[in-house]
Amino acid sequence: GAVVSQHPSRVICKSGTSVKIECRSLDFQATTMFWYRQFPKQSLMLMATSNEGSKATYEQGVEKDKFLINHASLTLSTLTVTSAHPEDSSFYICSAPTPRAAFFGQGTRLTVV
Amino acid sequence: AQSVAQPEDQVNVAEGNPLTVKCTYSVSGNPYLFWYVQYPNRGLQFLLKYITGDNLVKGSYGFEAEFNKSQTSFHLKKPSALVSDSALYFCAVRDKGSGNTGKLIFGQGTTLQVKP
Repeated sequence: GAVVSQHPSRVICKSGTSVKIECRSLDFQATTMFWYRQFPKQSLMLMATSNEGSKATYEQGVEKDKFLINHASLTLSTLTVTSAHPEDSSFYICSAPTPRAAFFGQGTRLTVV
Repeated sequence: AQSVAQPEDQVNVAEGNPLTVKCTYSVSGNPYLFWYVQYPNRGLQFLLKYITGDNLVKGSYGFEAEFNKSQTSFHLKKPSALVSDSALYFCAVRDKGSGNTGKLIFGQGTTLQVKP
């Protein structure tokens, strides 16, 4: 079946630093990937749609300069949280759609201290 | 506007008993509906989907869901719950406005607790 790999699974960083999260589709090509943020015991909030070879599409209220998305190839999208602050601490999940269903990465627990 | 609602924050079931996790939707036209399960600190795992065809859809781990157009519902069911089924469950509908990008709209999630 389709596999989406997300790395790292857990990261702790200091305020002001940047963190990069990778999302790879391992056995299929994904021209589109999605980045979600999830707060404890809450649903997934779509942050942006990552488009291979073009700019990402951000949802309303999501700062594109803070959450940089790059979709450099058909199997890799990256989310960089720039100048991280404690309020950016959250669980970030990527997703890649296939004709069958959308498949999700394992998620990244980001803690900013 | 398209939306999905899961009216129960938590469902408690004894092991071996049948379980139901409820989901209702609001979509114009024919919906594409999905169920996903999430274990702690993990991504979402696909359980099943309804696109067209039989209203009863069978999925992974013994789960099934029944599409009911008149009640606009897509409840998740399992005849006999296992303790290992305890997790967070999400109902989702494909956002038709996004074309074929696969963008999903999620319900709020329902925590399923299966007790021994």
